[in-house]
Amino acid sequence: DGGITQSPKYLFRKEGQNVTLSCEQNLNHDAMYWYRQDPGQGLRLIYYSQIVNDFQKGDIAEGYSVSREKKESFPLTVTSAQKNPTAFYLCASRTGTGGYGYTFGSGTRLTVV
Amino acid sequence: QKEVEQDPGPLSVPEGAIVSLNCTYSNSAFQYFMWYRQYSRKGPELLMYTYSSGNKEDGRFTAQVDKSSKYISLFIRDSQPSDSATYLCAILGQGAQKLVFGQGTRLTINP
Repeated sequence: DGGITQSPKYLFRKEGQNVTLSCEQNLNHDAMYWYRQDPGQGLRLIYYSQIVNDFQKGDIAEGYSVSREKKESFPLTVTSAQKNPTAFYLCASRTGTGGYGYTFGSGTRLTVV
Repeated sequence: QKEVEQDPGPLSVPEGAIVSLNCTYSNSAFQYFMWYRQYSRKGPELLMYTYSSGNKEDGRFTAQVDKSSKYISLFIRDSQPSDSATYLCAILGQGAQKLVFGQGTRLTINP
């Protein structure tokens, strides 16, 4: 079955550490997205990528980095510069054309300990 | 002004009630309208999709779009406890690459 796989489901980070969240899709979608979700704040866009080897900052990119070396993969690194990283992180993808919506992964819950 | 406004709730209704969830938007260029349902600790899933004014029905769910008022609604008939979730409206402009999301409404259906 086609879909988006995010791993791990739960992740714990110590202060000052970088951590990488994985996102893989087998939908052959061109565009991929990373969102952060906090209680009562909805979805906030971190980064997105429309094609391989290209990506753009979203609304809250500070403290995060991404890469898009393969069409099916879009990992997100939460760096130590991100002061409040505890949140639920969602990866999504969509086909590059038309009015189609996103397909979401099941999310990664990141907690700073 | 936010591009999409959605009352975050929470909204609590008894089982069997008709539920109305709403969003307003500011950009008349928006053309595609979606509703996502998100269960706790899960990723959102696409529930309804429409690109024109009017109503679209799927079982107990009806999506309504009024482009002249820039207003979209999701109606749930005969609501069930399994409908308890957060509902997000999402809107896309022609040629746009990113969906614009509402804040999400947290809905609880009480048995």
